[in-house]
Amino acid sequence: AAGVIQSPRHLIKEKRETATLKCYPIPRHDTVYWYQQGPGQDPQFLISFYEKMQSDKGSIPDRFSAQQFSDYHSELNMSSLELGDSALYFCASSADSDRSLYNEQFFGPGTRLTVL
Amino acid sequence: AQSVTQPDIHITVSEGASLELRCNYSYGATPYLFWYVQSPGQGLQLLLKYFSGDTLVQGIKGFEAEFKRSQSSFNLRKPSVHWSDAAEYFCAVGGDYSGGGADGLTFGKGTHLIIQP
Repeated sequence: AAGVIQSPRHLIKEKRETATLKCYPIPRHDTVYWYQQGPGQDPQFLISFYEKMQSDKGSIPDRFSAQQFSDYHSELNMSSLELGDSALYFCASSADSDRSLYNEQFFGPGTRLTVL
Repeated sequence: AQSVTQPDIHITVSEGASLELRCNYSYGATPYLFWYVQSPGQGLQLLLKYFSGDTLVQGIKGFEAEFKRSQSSFNLRKPSVHWSDAAEYFCAVGGDYSGGGADGLTFGKGTHLIIQP
């Protein structure tokens, strides 16, 4: 079965640079979520999109922005990178056409971002 | 606001022994509860989930969990652990769409499981 695809899998950047992470949801999934997991930490919810509109917002820094495109893939843009942004970034997707239920989120393998 | 507490940061269990990992949640409405497992540097694998119905849920790899509303708990159990179960375990809670958005999950801090030979 198709899974959530994230690219790149690993990314190394310098401080103050920008980074773009991409997420391709499972086919026919219309909702995408982004999470950040720092070293030794639990995953923290950043932001979600449903049908290309921002749906829920968590602890996403103002330096970060995200969007969902017409093909439902999503990109997380991170600017003015700081050392503390080094983390594993997960994308998850769900099929939320029936919004009367809670729909399971399927996680991708993550993108490991290292800021030097 | 929803929250998840995993009281045990580390747990050491002998191979073949039984396991119970604790999870307590705080949520104002009907919670949707999950257990995930993560090996070092890897992604999150769903072990099991509780949405409604039977309070004892079965998952993959021989794991089960029991939802106890009166105790706000969702403890994970396994009757006999294997060395390959050594990993980080996260309990998570999610809400419904009553707030109008696709809710992100709230995770606990995780429990690191060590298996002794």
